[in-house]
Amino acid sequence: GNSVTQMEGPVTLSEEAFLTINCTYTATGYPSLFWYVQYPGEGLQLLLKATKADDKGSNKGFEATYRKETTSFHLEKGSVQVSDSAVYFCALSEGRGGSEKLVFGKGTKLTVNP
Amino acid sequence: GAVVSQHPSWVICKSGTSVKIECRSLDFQATTMFWYRQFPKQSLMLMATSNEGSKATYEQGVEKDKFLINHASLTLSTLTVTSAHPEDSSFYICSAEWTGGSYGYTFGSGTRLTVV
Repeated sequence: GNSVTQMEGPVTLSEEAFLTINCTYTATGYPSLFWYVQYPGEGLQLLLKATKADDKGSNKGFEATYRKETTSFHLEKGSVQVSDSAVYFCALSEGRGGSEKLVFGKGTKLTVNP
Repeated sequence: GAVVSQHPSWVICKSGTSVKIECRSLDFQATTMFWYRQFPKQSLMLMATSNEGSKATYEQGVEKDKFLINHASLTLSTLTVTSAHPEDSSFYICSAEWTGGSYGYTFGSGTRLTVV
């Protein structure tokens, strides 16, 4: 079955440090890939997505590139802020409007210290 | 656009009682909604897929008689936890698929259920 593996946290960084959270996937077909962010006590918010190979999703300084050859979708940010402290989930979906369910990684907690 | 409102945000109930959680799509029609459960410091576990006008599809291991899902309209899905027990205490999150303009999934803000 489909699965998502992301690096285990927690990750603790100083403000303005470079961030990488690794994510690899296993899927049949051609999944869409997502990064979601969850702030304490809240639901998930879509951070970025990519729907086909070599696509780069970007938002709020975060980027991730859909790498089919390495089945990866690593999340990066050049300079993190305290406000980026949250849990980040990598996810995939097989569908494009086909009501396919999302498969999530276990989440990576990021703490950014001033 | 693509806002999902989930209510209540938190609820405390006594063992043996039932609790209903609502999930509404505010500015779009959601034929399909998803219900997730999240345990502390863990990922989201899909419980069921809710389809408007038909029975929900439950994931393996999820008790359909305990977690009743109703999707009576294109903007509302409800999850009722029946005869709640302390082990049902968890964070429940709904999600709807949004295809208008940009494909993706929109999540509600979640409901923290505590059964005492």
